[in-house]
Amino acid sequence: KQEVTQIPAALSVPEGENLVLNCSFTDSAIYNLQWFRQDPGKGLTSLLLIQSSQREQTSGRLNASLDKSSGRSTLYIAASQPGDSATYLCAVGGGGFKTIFGAGTRLFVKA
Amino acid sequence: NAGVTQTPKFRVLKTGQSMTLLCAQDMNHEYMYWYRQDPGMGLRLIHYSVGEGTTAKGEVPDGYNVSRLKKQNFLLGLESAAPSQTSVYFCASSYKDSNQPQHFGDGTRLSIL
Repeated sequence: KQEVTQIPAALSVPEGENLVLNCSFTDSAIYNLQWFRQDPGKGLTSLLLIQSSQREQTSGRLNASLDKSSGRSTLYIAASQPGDSATYLCAVGGGGFKTIFGAGTRLFVKA
Repeated sequence: NAGVTQTPKFRVLKTGQSMTLLCAQDMNHEYMYWYRQDPGMGLRLIHYSVGEGTTAKGEVPDGYNVSRLKKQNFLLGLESAAPSQTSVYFCASSYKDSNQPQHFGDGTRLSIL
């Protein structure tokens, strides 16, 4: 059974710092991996989707990498800003609508 | 630019009561999903639909029913609410291609007393 873990559960950094959020999964037979952002009281917003054949995706200050063999993905945020404060979730797509979500990392960027 | 709209946003029920959560999307998506989010846990799939008139069970379907009579709407019903169903419920939709991202509504916060 696929399990998705995100460590740490919470992270606080000063503004301007580059940071990495981690996501690990137990079954390497995945279809894709997505990173989402969730603001308090809101739904999830898709940030990046990496297909199983890809190694990374980039969007602005965000870069997500995927290493299926080691069961790991990272989300790199460059030059963090207070507006980046949110919960970041990764979700592993196993095909057949089997998307397994991690519990998320709550990020706080201090001004 | 509505996207995915969920109603209501908040609701408090007593044990044994029934209710229906409504999800509407205006992006002409084929696929729609209902998830629940509980503290410290990832989102879990309750039911999903691959098109009008079709529904299927997800990971945690017990105690819930769904219907998709129109392509743009996906309804989640609780026939006899239980305290264990206290949660935040999210609806999502996506295109037919499984490598397209899911678009989420803002959620319904449901408390069962």
